[in-house]
Amino acid sequence: EVQLVESGGGLVQPGGSLRLSCSASGFTFSSYAMHWVRQAPGKGLEYVSGISSNGGSTDYADSVKGRFTISRDNSKNTLYLQMSSLRAEDTAVYYCVNGRPHASTYFDYWGQGTLVTVSS
Amino acid sequence: EIAMTQSPATLSVSPGERATLSCRASQSVSSNLAWYQQKRGQAPRLLIYGASTRATGIPARFSGSGSGTEFTLTISSLQSEDFAVYYCQQYNNWQTFGGGTKVEIK
Repeated sequence: EVQLVESGGGLVQPGGSLRLSCSASGFTFSSYAMHWVRQAPGKGLEYVSGISSNGGSTDYADSVKGRFTISRDNSKNTLYLQMSSLRAEDTAVYYCVNGRPHASTYFDYWGQGTLVTVSS
Repeated sequence: EIAMTQSPATLSVSPGERATLSCRASQSVSSNLAWYQQKRGQAPRLLIYGASTRATGIPARFSGSGSGTEFTLTISSLQSEDFAVYYCQQYNNWQTFGGGTKVEIK
C-alpha cells in the first residue's frame, strides 16, 4: 500500500524558512517522480513543484520559483521542500503526491497534508 | 506554463440530474487531462485520467471526454455523495490545475 506522510509544517513569520519532508513507502521510491501540491484556505489546488526520479530535473510554479527548492534522498525514501522568504500567500496545506513514474503525471496518491501558516 | 480554465465556477444541480463540467487548456494537452473530486476536509481523489479513463473504483456515472484544449466531465445522475468540488489537471507538460467547479445542491 502506497503511503505518503508529510511533516514539518507549522507557524513561521514572514520572511522565514521552513523545510517540509515527505516519507514514502509501499512503492519503489527511486523509480518515481515526486511532487508537491498546495491548497490555501478556501482556495483551489496549486501545483508547487516536482522532481524527477533521479533528481536531475525539477519544475516550479512561477509563484515559488527562486524561493522554494525541491530535493529528494532516494536512500531514505524521502522528499523535501525547502521554503524560504515565506509570504502570507504561502499559507496553505501542502500535499506530497505521486502517480506514474514520469515527471508529467496525474496523481493517484496523496498524503494527508501538512499546514504551513505564515503570519507574524 | 499551460493555463487551465474551468467553468462554471459553481453548478447548482438537483439529485438525480445530470451535471456537465467544462475545462479548457490554453494550448493543446492532447489527452493528458485528469479530473479530481475533493470533499471538504479531504485530500482530492483521482476520478479520470487520459481524459476519459475512470480510475480504479470510480462509478460508471462519471465520464470524461475531449482532447486538445476542450474537455468535459459528466456525472450522469448526481448522488448525494457527488456534491463536492471538481478540478481538472493537465499533465502534458509537467502539470497545472484548473480553478475548480463546485457542484452544489439545487
